[in-house]
Amino acid sequence: GAVVSQHPSWVICKSGTSVKIECRSLDFQATTMFWYRQFPKQSLMLMATSNEGSKATYEQGVEKDKFLINHASLTLSTLTVTSAHPEDSSFYICSANKGQGSSYEQYFGPGTRLTVT
Amino acid sequence: QKEVEQDPGPLSVPEGAIVSLNCTYSNSAFQYFMWYRQYSRKGPELLMYTYSSGNKEDGRFTAQVDKSSKYISLFIRDSQPSDSATYLCAMDSSYKLIFGSGTRLLVRP
Repeated sequence: GAVVSQHPSWVICKSGTSVKIECRSLDFQATTMFWYRQFPKQSLMLMATSNEGSKATYEQGVEKDKFLINHASLTLSTLTVTSAHPEDSSFYICSANKGQGSSYEQYFGPGTRLTVT
Repeated sequence: QKEVEQDPGPLSVPEGAIVSLNCTYSNSAFQYFMWYRQYSRKGPELLMYTYSSGNKEDGRFTAQVDKSSKYISLFIRDSQPSDSATYLCAMDSSYKLIFGSGTRLLVRP
């Protein structure tokens, strides 16, 4: 199997606070994990690529100081949304790459719905 | 022009119908082609992936890749109401996935 979990599944926070989202690969080790953002009825937008033991690579237009990513182990990556604002409200999904050297075996977590009030 | 184009639908079919979902792409360097299924408010689920051109079958699902036409398809046989979801095609590019916009499928009982 290839199971990826995310925690929490949904969170409501006040504007200006920070929120941490965890992504875990439960039955395999993942050197690379990815963080996506999805707006209603839209496709996934890649935010950053997280590599274990090194700094994340952010996509163009994504603020790395606002979306802090830490890939502390081969089974855990975290995304921290700092100083959240209502426009950060979205569905955040992580994935973990089971394959080596390519991203074709990406398995996704169930997503975290963030609402900033 | 987007790298991957996918008709957003919605596509509505009766139960038992054969469903055809398609994507076109522009980058001939893509080698791996994936299909994901996403239920509402859930993460995408990998259905199958295909390397280069050809067909791949898994149960009721068949994936086809035609690299010469830059066209990929997913066929669902004997469609069921539980197949109602959004189907996303994706392609592997430099260790990242490029997604289509997704096609919403509704299978009517």
